[in-house]
Amino acid sequence: DIQMTQSPSSLSASVGDRVTITCRASQGISTWLAWYQQKPEKAPKSLIYAASSLQSGVPSRFSGSGSGTDFTLTISSLQPEDFATYYCQQYFSYPLTFGGGTKVEIK
Amino acid sequence: EVQLVESGGGLVQPGGSLRLSCAASGFTFSDHYIDWVRQAPGKGLEWVGRSRNKANSYTAEYAASVNGRFTISRDDSKNSLYLQMNSLKTEDTAVYYCARDVGGRSSGYYFDYWGQGTLVTVSS
Repeated sequence: DIQMTQSPSSLSASVGDRVTITCRASQGISTWLAWYQQKPEKAPKSLIYAASSLQSGVPSRFSGSGSGTDFTLTISSLQPEDFATYYCQQYFSYPLTFGGGTKVEIK
Repeated sequence: EVQLVESGGGLVQPGGSLRLSCAASGFTFSDHYIDWVRQAPGKGLEWVGRSRNKANSYTAEYAASVNGRFTISRDDSKNSLYLQMNSLKTEDTAVYYCARDVGGRSSGYYFDYWGQGTLVTVSS
């Protein structure tokens, strides 16, 4: 199985800050990586696929990069509605696997 | 508008069975792969399994943790996906989500829409 490791597991940031979350795969997955946002008691929301492509309707302050084993999710200017937990996920091979999540909290 | 609505969750004893449903609307259900993903209380996301579409013979994939106990099926005439869960364990307690896949063989299949989830509690 491909292990997905996210860091940090949590972070505190202020509105307007630039935030970067990293995700590392235990083996190469090309760009077959997605990012999801989840708010408390809500279903996940799809943000990014193919490592850097934004899902329809996702604000442009979100961006993704990387290939192979190392990936990043960047929020260029954190907004109040962005405080949530973020998960990466590989869909290169079965079983599909998720990172452990990064909780973005208000500083 | 794409919608996925899960139902069928509830309280069940260890060793028992439960069948979850995922009702889809707003898109051509038969064209899409659909997955089940779960989330134990206070924990992260865990993939459960996938149903491929008619063009791919409705074949399924499962996580090792549920293989042999859970079965995914679908009824395209009812735009519905099912998860039959047998021999339930306390560690199966989770919110279960269905999620629609998009993509293709050359780009891979990834989730775009998720349902709101249904809670399954396995406890005596």
